[in-house]
Amino acid sequence: GAGVSQSPSNKVTEKGKYVELRCDPISGHTALYWYRQSLGQGLEFLIYFQGNSAPDKSGLPSDRFSAERTGGSVSTLTIQRTQQEDSAVYLCASSQDRGIFAFFGQGTRLTVV
Amino acid sequence: AQRVTQPEKLLSVFKGAPVELKCNYSYSGSPELFWYVQYSRQRLQLLLRHISRESIKGFTADLNKGETSFHLKKPFAQEEDSAMYYCALISTQGGSEKLVFGKGTKLTVNP
Repeated sequence: GAGVSQSPSNKVTEKGKYVELRCDPISGHTALYWYRQSLGQGLEFLIYFQGNSAPDKSGLPSDRFSAERTGGSVSTLTIQRTQQEDSAVYLCASSQDRGIFAFFGQGTRLTVV
Repeated sequence: AQRVTQPEKLLSVFKGAPVELKCNYSYSGSPELFWYVQYSRQRLQLLLRHISRESIKGFTADLNKGETSFHLKKPFAQEEDSAMYYCALISTQGGSEKLVFGKGTKLTVNP
């Protein structure tokens, strides 16, 4: 498709489990961002990729969170030993260069029970 | 710190009434500011940016450096304007340029 695609759309997992969230950016977009959207907290920046490298990981909330990007395209955000406070909508965005006209995916709604 | 503050979590107006969604920012220098909107069950999308001084769907926003504000305004609200609105700026902290968002204001336009 032409837009940013995220999978799965919804994920319910048990506390302590491992989850993997996927983002397919718009073809040709070199910049890729992960954000977390939770009620009352707005959108929190998590990590930024330029190509395959991540020059800014300053938003990752703990070492349980990690992300990678391969081939300058698909990115995976992983959360180990999930906690209930990880429940949120995880958004991915991509842009050609800077974050100005970032196009957002529809998000993955993660629920940790 | 480079950040955005949206003081109102919820805003409710009647159709046809003026609406103003407040946004204040903290930034040294000249910020690049934006408004994003998320309609129910839709993805987040860019509404407007201060650089272009445009009016989108009847909305305008003026950068006021003296008050460090970038309020979003519309003279006559419509029901279809009901959505979540986020003010954002481009932050250069942390080693990259990235959008930093406020916590959002949920606008409800009542018939």
